[in-house]
Amino acid sequence: DSGVTQTPKHLITATGQRVTLRCSPRSGDLSVYWYQQSLDQGLQFLIQYYNGEERAKGNILERFSAQQFPDLHSELNLSSLELGDSALYFCASSVGEASYEQYFGPGTRLTVT
Amino acid sequence: GNSVTQMEGPVTLSEEAFLTINCTYTATGYPSLFWYVQYPGEGLQLLLKATKADDKGSNKGFEATYRKETTSFHLEKGSVQVSDSAVYFCALKAVGTGRRALTFGSGTRLQVQP
Repeated sequence: DSGVTQTPKHLITATGQRVTLRCSPRSGDLSVYWYQQSLDQGLQFLIQYYNGEERAKGNILERFSAQQFPDLHSELNLSSLELGDSALYFCASSVGEASYEQYFGPGTRLTVT
Repeated sequence: GNSVTQMEGPVTLSEEAFLTINCTYTATGYPSLFWYVQYPGEGLQLLLKATKADDKGSNKGFEATYRKETTSFHLEKGSVQVSDSAVYFCALKAVGTGRRALTFGSGTRLQVQP
């Protein structure tokens, strides 16, 4: 158990809908990272927050957004969902802004039908 | 840009066989290198890491050496077990400001048969 929690574990929704994925980092970690794992694209970095502020952006679509709250949990919002958004979404956390080690949560499996 | 290339799987071995999963990388400077493991239905777990050239990372019988001259970080284990069946990801973290995310390889599935 990495200490990173993600909810929900599974999510099934229809095209065009909007969903919110939630992540709680390990106790003491200030950074949260979001990654998408899909069959065709592999594991890709989406976005990072550090202590409430956006720090780095990867291949995140404009339809996706994220935020980190004062209690350090983070939410990833996915809107106008398309079939291709079906994937595993992982959250990871680390102590610092650019720490070597990131600890991954169990993931949220999103299925868009 | 940064990239990681792993050997394609699946790799199928018998129990107690020797394992090698090749990983090579492209990056500017001297990145940190990692191996993560993903067991069925679970998230990624850090298996081992190396932060500078010639460092050897090791954990649970797995080893990998950071080879700057060949830009490689191959994963090895002397005797695999059925419980090692999983997907293994090689990853790098580049140095420099703004380079905070991990870049992953495509993953290599290992199947160990009894």
